[in-house]
Amino acid sequence: QVQLVQSGAEVQKPGSSVKVSCKASGGTFGSHVLTWVRQAPGQGLEWMGGFIPSVATGNSAQKFQDRVTFSAEDSTNTVYMELSSLRSDDTAVYYCARGLLGMSGAFDVWGQGTMVTVSS
Amino acid sequence: QSVLTQPPSESGTPGQTVSISCSGSVSNIGSNAVNWYQQIPGTAPKLLIYEDNQRPSGVPERISGSKSGTSASLAISGLKSEDDAEYFCAAWDDTMDGLVFGTGTKVTVL
Repeated sequence: QVQLVQSGAEVQKPGSSVKVSCKASGGTFGSHVLTWVRQAPGQGLEWMGGFIPSVATGNSAQKFQDRVTFSAEDSTNTVYMELSSLRSDDTAVYYCARGLLGMSGAFDVWGQGTMVTVSS
Repeated sequence: QSVLTQPPSESGTPGQTVSISCSGSVSNIGSNAVNWYQQIPGTAPKLLIYEDNQRPSGVPERISGSKSGTSASLAISGLKSEDDAEYFCAAWDDTMDGLVFGTGTKVTVL
């Protein structure tokens, strides 16, 4: 059973960038979609975008299109989400998750989450 | 800003049935599959229902999903203390060309 293991917590300054990793443990991503979802403290879930590591293509929510980049490293079964021009309202827990049926919104395996704090 | 509306809270005693509604529009629930997640504070969401009414392996039969028009519902029967959690619906939105989540419903087992 594949598990998704994310990188550790980050503290970044406004205007900088953060790169969060998500590694498949116990298997590979195969042809699954990897999605990124974030959750600000005490708030709901927000979809950021999805990425298919096997073909290195994806899409992102309109809100993040200018600031988010997805990438993958096949040799280590790792995908990355980089968010630039950070603001205080980007403070959130960032999750990666594996799509069960493409980008239908059904994600059956989740990472443990990465807390990103944006503060001067 | 969520485009899928859920009631902020629901509650019930052990053994009862709780239903959670998720209201959307033609561009999301009316055209695409609805999925449901359970989230316990401090942990990642867990998929409960996909494709409107399908349960992943390991999710008990007392949890069910349904959809009609632009609304969907999640029902939890035989309520247990372990069901005390937050629940979110999710669906693809054709207008926004992205996935949208519901506002979330906190279920309290009294």
